[in-house]
Amino acid sequence: DVKVTQSSRYLVKRTGEKVFLECVQDMDHENMFWYRQDPGLGLRLIYFSYDVKMKEKGDIPEGYSVSREKKERFSLILESASTNQTSMYLCASDEGTYGYTFGSGTRLTVV
Amino acid sequence: EDQVTQSPEALRLQEGESSSLNCSYTVSGLRGLFWYRQDPGKGPEFLFTLYSAGEEKEKERLKATLTKKESFLHITAPKPEDSATYLCAVQAYTGRRALTFGSGTRLQVQP
Repeated sequence: DVKVTQSSRYLVKRTGEKVFLECVQDMDHENMFWYRQDPGLGLRLIYFSYDVKMKEKGDIPEGYSVSREKKERFSLILESASTNQTSMYLCASDEGTYGYTFGSGTRLTVV
Repeated sequence: EDQVTQSPEALRLQEGESSSLNCSYTVSGLRGLFWYRQDPGKGPEFLFTLYSAGEEKEKERLKATLTKKESFLHITAPKPEDSATYLCAVQAYTGRRALTFGSGTRLQVQP
């Protein structure tokens, strides 16, 4: 089974901090995605990547950036954390046919 | 723009009381429609992919069906362990490969 591992289950950060959320997949998938999930809003796409060093903006990229230096690792960066970025962050990967495999999520609280 | 609307937002059933969840979608050429199950505090778990109108898939007490405008997730004789949020998502042939998700249906099955 494909495994997608997110480095932290829970994080508490201060406003203005630079925050790194890490995601690693173990099945050589080309495609990786970052979503955030908020009550009533569902999953919203932040950024995605089709290959190493390639990235594309999703629907809500403002305040975020990403890095994909190796195929298995896709990092989400909050340049200067704000309270409205408090959310559940979900990483996913896929190989193009059967839909995503998700990580367990990182619940980020910005205080 | 691809859109997915799920109804109802929440559903409470008695154990054994069958029902259906609805997913209405608008997409520019459907490549696939996906159903996921999400337990509290966890990432979504893949259930089904449907590719063309008329297709049906089953897994234990769940059956997913697809028409040109909507999909249904039928739950037959549910048990308390079926309690979860059920998410629907679509992927288009054209444009970006990322999935567009609905807001989900929170299902509670009472013993």
